[in-house]
Amino acid sequence: GAVVSQHPSRVICKSGTSVKIECRSLDFQATTMFWYRQFPKQSLMLMATSNEGSKATYEQGVEKDKFLINHASLTLSTLTVTSAHPEDSSFYICSARILSSYEQYFGPGTRLTVT
Amino acid sequence: GQNIDQPTEMTATEGAIVQINCTYQTSGFNGLFWYQQHAGEAPTFLSYNVLDGLEEKGRFSSFLSRSKGYSYLLLKELQMKDSASYLCAVRDWATNKLIFGTGTLLAVQP
Repeated sequence: GAVVSQHPSRVICKSGTSVKIECRSLDFQATTMFWYRQFPKQSLMLMATSNEGSKATYEQGVEKDKFLINHASLTLSTLTVTSAHPEDSSFYICSARILSSYEQYFGPGTRLTVT
Repeated sequence: GQNIDQPTEMTATEGAIVQINCTYQTSGFNGLFWYQQHAGEAPTFLSYNVLDGLEEKGRFSSFLSRSKGYSYLLLKELQMKDSASYLCAVRDWATNKLIFGTGTLLAVQP
C-alpha cells in the first residue's frame, strides 16, 4: 500500500528559530500534497495544498511567509515554520494524493513544541 | 459555505454496536470519507462513499444519503482497541480538498 513518511516525528525548538518538516511518499509519486495542523482534541485544519513544481495554495488565515512550503519533487514536500513561537506548537500532518486516486494517504505526523 | 457536524463524544460497551453520525452542508460534494485516529497518531482510512447506500468492510460499515447530507459509520463487535477519534471528511468537488468534521471521540468500556 501507499506509504507516507514524515521527519522528524517530534521536534522541540526555541522561539525565534526555524524548523523544517519533511513529507515523503515512499512508494508512489504524489502529484498533490496537503499540510494540516491539529490542536489537541480538535480536528485537522488544512493549511495549504502543494502541487509539484508550483507554488503552494494557502488557506485563508495561514501566513505563507511564516509557513514556507516547497514541493520540489513528486515524492517530497517540506514545511518550514519560520521564526517559531509557542503558539505554533501543534501536531503537523501531511498527506499525499495520486492524481488518479480518490484517497489521501496520511503521514504519521510531527509533534512540534516551541519553548 | 461548508459545515460538517458530528457528536463530540460517545461511549459504548465492548462487543456492542455503535453508530456515529455525520451531517454535512457543502457547496460541492465529491465523496465522504471516514478516518480513525488514535491519540498522537495520523488518521487511517476506514471508508469512502460517493454514491448513496451502505459500504461494508468487515466490522465497519458506512452509509451515505446525499439528498439528506447524512452519513453514518457503524462499528460492530466493538473491541477496546476501537477507542479512538472518528473523523468524517467531505471532499469538495471544485478543489478536491478534504474538509474535516470535528471528530467523535469514542470510548469503548469493558
